[in-house]
Amino acid sequence: EVQVVESGGGLVHPGGSLRLSCGVSGFTFASYWMSWVRQAPGKGLEWVANIRQDGSETYYVDSVRGRFIISRDNAKNSVHLQMNSLRVEDMAVYYCARGGGSIGGEINYWGQGTPVTVSS
Amino acid sequence: QVVLSQSPSASASLGASVKLSCTLSSGHSDYDIAWHQHQAQKGPRYLMKVFSDGRHINGDGIPDRFSGSSSGTERYLTISRLQSEDEADYYCQTWGIGFVIFGGGTRLTVL
Repeated sequence: EVQVVESGGGLVHPGGSLRLSCGVSGFTFASYWMSWVRQAPGKGLEWVANIRQDGSETYYVDSVRGRFIISRDNAKNSVHLQMNSLRVEDMAVYYCARGGGSIGGEINYWGQGTPVTVSS
Repeated sequence: QVVLSQSPSASASLGASVKLSCTLSSGHSDYDIAWHQHQAQKGPRYLMKVFSDGRHINGDGIPDRFSGSSSGTERYLTISRLQSEDEADYYCQTWGIGFVIFGGGTRLTVL
């Protein structure tokens, strides 16, 4: 059974940093792209970033590029999102997701999410 | 850049069928999409991939009450024999090199 479990969410002040983690099981982690997707309160789903199987390619939505860093550790079946210079508008539930296909864009498994609150 | 458009809301009666639509922006009729279900207080759930040629492939464990189709720039999700637990937000999603795009979502109410 595929399992995707996020952790690391919490309350942070504007300008602060937070590191989200995602552990997976039930599939060959090193064979898949991984994504982070978020949902702000009352809003829809928004893709944040993704990372290639070997970590050699990473992509970001414009609003987080230069502030967030996605990384992975294939030995530990985990993917991370380092979030720096956090803004109020980054407040959301953050979901870790598996990407399918040759460019990893087809999201086909989701975690339960971890909430991030950005407030003074 | 491709854009996905969805109606904000839809409703249908218990036991009936409903067809939700997702419109790709002009010039992007060759994009495949995925459909996701997001029930309140839960993580999203992948439902299926819908190909530009009209085929669809359901995700693991997704019942065949859920089906997909396409026509031109339109991509559809049909849910048959509606159940109360189908009440949720439904998102279409597409992708390319370096980007992933979601539609705004359709909130389905089961009457």
